[in-house]
Amino acid sequence: AQSVSQHNHHVILSEAASLELGCNYSYGGTVNLFWYVQYPGQHLQLLLKYFSGDPLVKGIKGFEAEFIKSKFSFNLRKPSVQWSDTAEYFCAVKDTDKLIFGTGTRLQVFP
Amino acid sequence: NAGVTQTPKFQVLKTGQSMTLQCAQDMNHNSMYWYRQDPGMGLRLIYYSASEGTTDKGEVPNGYNVSRLNKREFSLRLESAAPSQTSVYFCASIWVAGDQPQHFGDGTRLSIL
Repeated sequence: AQSVSQHNHHVILSEAASLELGCNYSYGGTVNLFWYVQYPGQHLQLLLKYFSGDPLVKGIKGFEAEFIKSKFSFNLRKPSVQWSDTAEYFCAVKDTDKLIFGTGTRLQVFP
Repeated sequence: NAGVTQTPKFQVLKTGQSMTLQCAQDMNHNSMYWYRQDPGMGLRLIYYSASEGTTDKGEVPNGYNVSRLNKREFSLRLESAAPSQTSVYFCASIWVAGDQPQHFGDGTRLSIL
């Protein structure tokens, strides 16, 4: 079965800093990959998804992610974070008819 | 606001009590899911229902039962609650599993004393 690893458990940044959150999945072939965000006290919302095609995926709120098949990775990036990006971020991979989530990365952005 | 509705939002139980968490979606989705979220462990799948009339175990099914009552509703039951089941529970749904993003409810925060 698929598994997902998020190695950054807690990231602290100042506003305007660049962000990169790591995500690795366990095995190859055709993969569907997702990044979700959970703001404090809220449910998960989709940031972006990759099914096929261009490996650089643009999402909402200025986020993007790059699918690198050779590295089994799908890292999330943002050039300049804002205080409002403070949230928990989850990477997920499709496994047959369900999603497998990583353990999440908590991002804190200070003004 | 259309989407996935979970009830209740908060609940406190005593060890050994039972309760049912309700989930309903109005998007005509086929597949529905129950997750629990615990600090440092992400979301773990408890049970899912790929279509009306079917249910399957996820990663952490022990201590839970589910019922897919109809296409709209998917309930999660704790028969004899244990402190280890203290968690935030999320229901999610999707039209065609895997090809679309899941839509999540607002969660149920459950504490078991």
